[in-house]
Amino acid sequence: LAKTTQPISMDSYEGQEVNITCSHNNIATNDYITWYQQFPSQGPRFIIQGYKTKVTNEVASLFIPADRKSSTLSLPRVSLSDTAVYYCLVGDYSSASKIIFGSGTRLSIRP
Amino acid sequence: KAGVTQTPRYLIKTRGQQVTLSCSPISGHRSVSWYQQTPGQGLQFLFEYFSETQRNKGNFPGRFSGRQFSNSRSEMNVSTLELGDSALYLCASSLGPDRGGGYTFGSGTRLTVV
Repeated sequence: LAKTTQPISMDSYEGQEVNITCSHNNIATNDYITWYQQFPSQGPRFIIQGYKTKVTNEVASLFIPADRKSSTLSLPRVSLSDTAVYYCLVGDYSSASKIIFGSGTRLSIRP
Repeated sequence: KAGVTQTPRYLIKTRGQQVTLSCSPISGHRSVSWYQQTPGQGLQFLFEYFSETQRNKGNFPGRFSGRQFSNSRSEMNVSTLELGDSALYLCASSLGPDRGGGYTFGSGTRLTVV
């Protein structure tokens, strides 16, 4: 099972771009990279998913280098409401048991 | 469309009691998985159901059990509650194994054991 490593915490300010990098050195060929956001006492919320190169949706971008051993979640122009824990997951989704949540990155946005 | 619904939202039980939590997946989703989240251990996989069959089980004692009904709704049961069972229990649904699309989580049930 591919293990992920993320920074424990990050701080930023409103209006800034925030980049959170995740390391997953033993990612398998069939694995996808998925990021989730979680607010206190709520379930994780899907943000973005990718396999390689770059993926962009209305809330974030995901950059994946050619070797796929890391990925970077980019949040443009963050606001106070982006304060949350962000999880990077790697798995092939053939089973929920293969989707391992690490410790996540606690992002704090200041005014 | 409606999201994943978990009931109840909050629950307080006494040690030794048993509890049943319910999860209604997104319409059309046939796979339901359960997780326990605690400050110390983070999110841990409990079990996964697909088409009424348990596909996988995490490393939890036999006091933790679950089932899935023909309409894909799922319940999990914890018997002989211990203080350490206090946690946020999350349910996630997906289309099914290898169907892609990721997992959609409910808001969870906050269980407090006193």
